[in-house]
Amino acid sequence: DAGVIQSPRHEVTEMGQEVTLRCKPISGHNSLFWYRQTMMRGLELLIYFNNNVPIDDSGMPEDRFSAKMPNASFSTLKIQPSEPRDSAVYFCASSRQGRDSPLHFGNGTRLTVT
Amino acid sequence: QQQVKQSPQSLIVQKGGIPIINCAYENTAFDYFPWYQQFPGKGPALLIAIRPDVSEKKEGRFTISFNKSAKQFSLHIMDSQPGDSATYFCAARDGAQKLVFGQGTRLTINP
Repeated sequence: DAGVIQSPRHEVTEMGQEVTLRCKPISGHNSLFWYRQTMMRGLELLIYFNNNVPIDDSGMPEDRFSAKMPNASFSTLKIQPSEPRDSAVYFCASSRQGRDSPLHFGNGTRLTVT
Repeated sequence: QQQVKQSPQSLIVQKGGIPIINCAYENTAFDYFPWYQQFPGKGPALLIAIRPDVSEKKEGRFTISFNKSAKQFSLHIMDSQPGDSATYFCAARDGAQKLVFGQGTRLTINP
């Protein structure tokens, strides 16, 4: 079991640039979640998918953020244009669909926007 | 809007002590309460979870106590070890699968 794989591990970019974060969920998991972690706000759910379909994107902060899941084994979170306040650690997590199915988190992407 | 309130923010305990982390919630639709453990540079990992129909659950040295009427739950770590030093998050989920996290507690166990 390779776990949830996120890339890149670190991303440093300048304000205004486009940033794309990538996630490969655990095989067989049909729910995928994007979280953002900051010291001030903790872990915030941005969006989640069931069977590749976005279910709830109410946590996406602005139109600058978008997420896609073109197939069961890949998802992206894009920020365009990026701003310094987007600096955070972004986590992807996956789970089987079910009441008590635990979330399995990747190791995150640390994004720094200068 | 903080749906799950966690305290304390940080906690320092001597080895062998029993750290206790507390969480409170308002939404009575929550029906699943997990605790996650996070080490530096890693994602959170499930530690233990409870449903509101039981008042206590133990897994090894970790115990969740749940008070449904008070809408509170807590994590106790028995015989704490330096390797338990990590950030701990309580969380709550309703039937819609959304997991809402507390702010986290940075726990340090001194040797």
